[in-house]
Amino acid sequence: EPEVTQTPSHQVTQMGQEVILRCVPISNHLYFYWYRQILGQKVEFLVSFYNNEISEKSEIFDDQFSVERPDGSNFTLKIRSTKLEDSAMYFCASRDRQGDSYEQYFGPGTRLTVT
Amino acid sequence: GESVGLHLPTLSVQEGDNSIINCAYSNSASDYFIWYKQESGKGPQFIIDIRSNMDKRQGQRVTVLLNKTVKHLSLQIAATQPGDSAVYFCAEIISNFGNEKLTFGTGTRLTIIP
Repeated sequence: EPEVTQTPSHQVTQMGQEVILRCVPISNHLYFYWYRQILGQKVEFLVSFYNNEISEKSEIFDDQFSVERPDGSNFTLKIRSTKLEDSAMYFCASRDRQGDSYEQYFGPGTRLTVT
Repeated sequence: GESVGLHLPTLSVQEGDNSIINCAYSNSASDYFIWYKQESGKGPQFIIDIRSNMDKRQGQRVTVLLNKTVKHLSLQIAATQPGDSAVYFCAEIISNFGNEKLTFGTGTRLTIIP
């Protein structure tokens, strides 16, 4: 069964450094998302992406964040200057355009630790 | 504003018994709901979904009930198994021509007692 993959599984970085989290969505999917989950809390929407542009973004997704689909298969989330409060699990998700379901398929996540 | 919340943060159920996980939502414009299961160290996994024009949907050992009058959603898991132990999230969507973002609730941790 096709699945969303994410790398790395765990990223440790120092405050102020840039990080890039990588995702490979399911190959025929057209909608892409990033969510984050601070330890012990609920999953929060960051951004949605369709047709090579951002469709919607949350208040969390400020100027320090950016997304890119550089080559038709990868979908990346960049944090330019990490802060301690960026420490969280980051999940990528993708969705097919077909059918009535809005099911989003989630990757296993990248644990980002900012020190 | 939109919000999705869960009544109980933890639930323990004897193996083989049925479990019910509840969820309240406040946005009457929400037209689609999904239950996700999240095991430790993994991403959310789809369980079942329901549209707002339905009040019940059944899957394999799972049933979702939607009561729009009181803005309440529940997930029933029949004949629970140890593998059902996880955190369960309800999530709502307001359809927006493809830009559907999931708004998650806070989660209920279900523990199956052997």
